Amino acid sequence: QVQLVQSGAEVKKPGASVKVSCKAAGYIFTGYYIHWVRQAPGQGLEWMGWMNPNNGGTNYAQKFQGRVTMTRDTSINTAYMELSRLRSDDTAVYYCATRSIATSGFDSWGQGTLVTVSS
Amino acid sequence: QSALTQPASVSGSPGQSITISCTGTSSDVGGYNFVSWFQQHPDKAPKLMIYEVTKRPSGVSNRFSGSKSGNTASLTISGLQAEDEADYYCTSYTSSSSWVFGGGTKVTVL
Repeated sequence: QVQLVQSGAEVKKPGASVKVSCKAAGYIFTGYYIHWVRQAPGQGLEWMGWMNPNNGGTNYAQKFQGRVTMTRDTSINTAYMELSRLRSDDTAVYYCATRSIATSGFDSWGQGTLVTVSS
Repeated sequence: QSALTQPASVSGSPGQSITISCTGTSSDVGGYNFVSWFQQHPDKAPKLMIYEVTKRPSGVSNRFSGSKSGNTASLTISGLQAEDEADYYCTSYTSSSSWVFGGGTKVTVL
């Protein structure tokens, strides 16, 4: 079945960048978009954008445009999300998500990566 | 893109039915049949409960059902059980080829 495994927790200083990885298994990596969603402590889910692994195309939420870059390496079935110019309010759990052949919804999620931004 | 509007909390007794609303605009909920609902327990990843407004993924209880009228989608949980206590989020595809989430609803089983 679809499995998404993310990289480990990160601690960054304000102004720095962070790059989170999401390794896919159990399906054809180029078949479905990868979405990134974040959740600040005690807050709701926030969609950040999607990346098409087939051609690298992207669509970012307006809030993150200019600060986020979503890429992929098809040779190792891995997607990446890089967020730059980090601020304290970027402290959150970052998830990658995709769909499977069974549904059109985000039915497969990574385990989440906690990014802490603190001086 | 503004977040979809959900009630902050909904509660019910075991066995009862509850409904969570999710209000958007004609550019998202009202314009597309791509509304999904997620259940999230503390410190867990979200779980897809409903997709395409009314469809249930394999393995999701038929106590969960979805509907839509105009710019408002709804999730109904019937025969409420203790294990249903969680946060619930709606999401919709938008006219910008993007997605937007609701603010989330905390469901409490009394």
